[in-house]
Amino acid sequence: AQSVAQPEDQVNVAEGNPLTVKCTYSVSGNPYLFWYVQYPNRGLQFLLKYITGDNLVKGSYGFEAEFNKSQTSFHLKKPSALVSDSALYFCAVRDGFSGGYNKLIFGAGTRLAVHP
Amino acid sequence: GAVVSQHPSRVICKSGTSVKIECRSLDFQATTMFWYRQFPKKSLMLMATSNEGSKATYEQGVEKDKFLINHASLTLSTLTVTSAHPEDSSFYICSARTGNWVNEQFFGPGTRLTVL
Repeated sequence: AQSVAQPEDQVNVAEGNPLTVKCTYSVSGNPYLFWYVQYPNRGLQFLLKYITGDNLVKGSYGFEAEFNKSQTSFHLKKPSALVSDSALYFCAVRDGFSGGYNKLIFGAGTRLAVHP
Repeated sequence: GAVVSQHPSRVICKSGTSVKIECRSLDFQATTMFWYRQFPKKSLMLMATSNEGSKATYEQGVEKDKFLINHASLTLSTLTVTSAHPEDSSFYICSARTGNWVNEQFFGPGTRLTVL
């Protein structure tokens, strides 16, 4: 069965410092990986996805993520954090072999707090 | 990116009444729509998946007679919570996806349901 793990409930970082939000996954086939961000009382906004190709994926708002097949990881990164990046971040995976409607499985979420 | 709307954004109802939540894809045709439930500080729990013109596929443990889903057109899906009880109070989020199943899902802003 496919699963996603976000080992950190919260990540704290100072404004201007680099940030990393961790994600590891487990699937039976090729992984299709996504990052979403959620602001309070709002739906999820798409940040980026990995389907195939380059392991380093660039997304919205200066975020990027690196697909590492050997470590089954897809960590979200940003070189310089902004206070406005403070939000709840979700990693999600879809199994390429799951068939059907290929539903997304979400991690538990990581709250990012960027301090001025 | 594509826009998904939800209506209403917030609803308060008495126990025993039914509540309908609408999810619309505004600028694309959504062949597949998803309904999620999110508890405070928790991840998204997939409730059901629906394709236009077909019956919804419910996740294990979700009562199909209580959470009625209709996907009558390529731009509209509705979730009706029947005979709502306080334990149904939650944040309900829909998402929509077009065509190719490797595409990302676009999420609505969510509906906060409070059952008194």
